[in-house]
Amino acid sequence: GENVEQHPSTLSVQEGDSAVIKCTYSDSASNYFPWYKQELGKRPQLIIDIRSNVGEKKDQRIAVTLNKTAKHFSLHITETQPEDSAVYFCAASKGSGGGADGLTFGKGTHLIIQP
Amino acid sequence: NAGVTQTPKFRVLKTGQSMTLLCAQDMNHEYMYWYRQDPGMGLRLIHYSVGEGTTAKGEVPDGYNVSRLKKQNFLLGLESAAPSQTSVYFCASSLVRQGEQYFGPGTRLTVT
Repeated sequence: GENVEQHPSTLSVQEGDSAVIKCTYSDSASNYFPWYKQELGKRPQLIIDIRSNVGEKKDQRIAVTLNKTAKHFSLHITETQPEDSAVYFCAASKGSGGGADGLTFGKGTHLIIQP
Repeated sequence: NAGVTQTPKFRVLKTGQSMTLLCAQDMNHEYMYWYRQDPGMGLRLIHYSVGEGTTAKGEVPDGYNVSRLKKQNFLLGLESAAPSQTSVYFCASSLVRQGEQYFGPGTRLTVT
């Protein structure tokens, strides 16, 4: 089955700096890559996603890039703010075959924004 | 709209006891999922459903059963709870395949 590796497990950055979280996946059939944010004690919420027919997607301070050849994708947060502090999860899924309708998640990155 | 709700919020079970977790959504979503979240492990898919009356196994299905008798409800059952099933359980739903998944607030289960 699919395996998603996520790095780093913890990332501390100064407020206003940029943060980058990287993920790799193993199944070349995966074609959908969402990112979820989970604040302490809360439920995960989608912040951005990308599909395999696109190399980059941006939404205000958040961007995601995808390299299908290398099977990796990254989350970029610019001008970080205190409210960006949370755990971020990358995920992957494929649209057909066994288990096609669920997400395989990375283990998460705890992003800490230092004031 | 309540979105996705889960019942109960917390539960403590003794080894060998059984229980059912209820997930309900009022968004008319076709797809529903059960995940478990353990420290340092991310979220792992237990079972999912692509529509009323259907269920399928995910990544970690052993020890769990599910049913989707009504479109809006997805039940997760533990027939004989084990300490390894201590976890936070999240239900999620989506309108379409590979669409945004909306998560419930979670159920914290402790098995002693």
